[in-house]
Amino acid sequence: NAGVTQTPKFQVLKTGQSMTLQCAQDMNHNSMYWYRQDPGMGLRLIYYSASEGTTDKGEVPNGYNVSRLNKREFSLRLESAAPSQTSVYFCASSKGQVTYEQYFGPGTRLTVT
Amino acid sequence: QKEVEQDPGPLSVPEGAIVSLNCTYSNSAFQYFMWYRQYSRKGPELLMYTYSSGNKEDGRFTAQVDKSSKYISLFIRDSQPSDSATYLCAITTNAGKSTFGDGTTLTVKP
Repeated sequence: NAGVTQTPKFQVLKTGQSMTLQCAQDMNHNSMYWYRQDPGMGLRLIYYSASEGTTDKGEVPNGYNVSRLNKREFSLRLESAAPSQTSVYFCASSKGQVTYEQYFGPGTRLTVT
Repeated sequence: QKEVEQDPGPLSVPEGAIVSLNCTYSNSAFQYFMWYRQYSRKGPELLMYTYSSGNKEDGRFTAQVDKSSKYISLFIRDSQPSDSATYLCAITTNAGKSTFGDGTTLTVKP
């Protein structure tokens, strides 16, 4: 049981480049989330998917897109990376609807130069 | 004003001390209350979870919720160096949307 996995672990991009962060969970959870964590600013929700087939914006969605590929996988895409998107990105999942505690992946450290 | 305010810290205590970590919130729609622990360069991990006012105990950890005051606390008894981490409160609506505090970094010195 791997829990929540994320790839890649580290990435360096140049301004304007695009990339997709991958996330998968093997806990049969309904809900999945993408957060960014910046020093001193806690976790901020980018997008979430309450169930397969649905996605909604969170607190800081600008510059990002998401795809809930199936129940297991939820990807985050940066179309044109900017230095302000330098951050640590965490994917999380929860059973949803009945219980909302979230299980987090190990994170992706992204630097945009 | 943020929906969830967490005492910023950092906190440094000697081994064996009792630690109190605190958050306040403003939105009455919040129904579920969680504490996460995050070690350096790792993802947050769920520590405790509750949805009612009162105390919930799990070993050396006690989560306390006062819905009337919109105040939540995490107490750590007999703190250990292995408790050194950042602690995040998270408060969730019925729709499943969570808002996190900014975290309090705790160092327990041997």
